[in-house]
Amino acid sequence: DGGITQSPKYLFRKEGQNVTLSCEQNLNHDAMYWYRQDPGQGLRLIYYSQIVNDFQKGDIAEGYSVSREKKESFPLTVTSAQKNPTAFYLCASSTSGSYQPQHFGDGTRLSIL
Amino acid sequence: KQEVTQIPAALSVPEGENLVLNCSFTDSAIYNLQWFRQDPGKGLTSLLLIQSSQREQTSGRLNASLDKSSGRSTLYIAASQPGDSATYLCAVSVATGTASKLTFGTGTRLQVTL
Repeated sequence: DGGITQSPKYLFRKEGQNVTLSCEQNLNHDAMYWYRQDPGQGLRLIYYSQIVNDFQKGDIAEGYSVSREKKESFPLTVTSAQKNPTAFYLCASSTSGSYQPQHFGDGTRLSIL
Repeated sequence: KQEVTQIPAALSVPEGENLVLNCSFTDSAIYNLQWFRQDPGKGLTSLLLIQSSQREQTSGRLNASLDKSSGRSTLYIAASQPGDSATYLCAVSVATGTASKLTFGTGTRLQVTL
């Protein structure tokens, strides 16, 4: 079945540690996105990528980094510079074109130890 | 800056009732509006997408309308069922190259009781 796979489902980070969240899609989508969701708030865009080897900052990129070396993969690194990393992280993808819907993975919940 | 508001924040209805969820946005220069469903601890499931040139979309018991000029959308759920209990999110899209940037509302948490 085609879809978006996020791993792990739960992740714990120690103070000062970088952690990487995985996002893989087999939908042959060109565009991929990372969102953060906090309780009682809507999703906020962290980074997005339109094609391989290209990505742009979203609304809350500080303390995060991404790479897009393969079309299928868009990992997100939460660095130690992100002072409030506890949140639910969602990855999405879409075909090219601004009229296309985004499809979401099941998310990774990140907590601080 | 685009802002999206959803009212009410929470709603509880008895099974079988028809209901309407509301979404408003401040900037009418959108490409499309998408309604999503989110179950607790899960990702988002796309329900309906309305292009900016359209007025409504229907899927089964769901009907979504869009009035771009007034910055409003509604999601109508007919004959609600306990399985409809979830949080419903709306999001508006603006183009950025070949991708689209979504701005989300904070959602309406729906509970359908027996």
